[in-house]
Amino acid sequence: AQSVTQLGSHVSVSEGALVLLRCNYSSSVPPYLFWYVQYPNQGLQLLLKYTSAATLVKGINGFEAEFKKSETSFHLTKPSAHMSDAAEYFCAVSMNTGFQKLVFGTGTRLLVSP
Amino acid sequence: DGGITQSPKYLFRKEGQNVTLSCEQNLNHDAMYWYRQDPGQGLRLIYYSQIVNDFQKGDIAEGYSVSREKKESFPLTVTSAQKNPTAFYLCASKTASGGYTFGSGTRLTVV
Repeated sequence: AQSVTQLGSHVSVSEGALVLLRCNYSSSVPPYLFWYVQYPNQGLQLLLKYTSAATLVKGINGFEAEFKKSETSFHLTKPSAHMSDAAEYFCAVSMNTGFQKLVFGTGTRLLVSP
Repeated sequence: DGGITQSPKYLFRKEGQNVTLSCEQNLNHDAMYWYRQDPGQGLRLIYYSQIVNDFQKGDIAEGYSVSREKKESFPLTVTSAQKNPTAFYLCASKTASGGYTFGSGTRLTVV
């Protein structure tokens, strides 16, 4: 079985500060890992995904994440927060074969203050 | 542009009513999914379909039903058996290479 744990339901940063959203996963097989962003009353938009190529993955809007197998982590970072980054972020895991069902974490709401 | 269209955006249901949420995609994706989102719980899989005329229960299928008569369409019916239907519902489709595309969601409220 696969699962995802996102540490911190809310994270607050100042504009221009480093953004760090934490995600740890559990998977019995090599996983695919994803980060999605959701703005209020909207669907999910893919930020980036890891599919067993480079361990450092660059995504849209200046976000990146590093796959660390030894730590079973896939933390999301951005060097400098912008007000428009305020949203909810979801980490998700799937198997790399077969049905590839997405299993989501409970989400982290990012708050950005001026 | 290709994408997923969910309608309506807001839906109100009276106690004991069945309601149907629409999901249409023009991406030519084989696989389609329905997720339910509740605050603080992330997204949970209700039903999925990997091919036309076939669908499978997800983790929380009780009180819901689906059909997949056309590749483009995967409607979700919330039946009166679903005791706590108030939630945000998201439809998604997936390419063979694993990328998911999500619709903009339907917010269902019981009145």
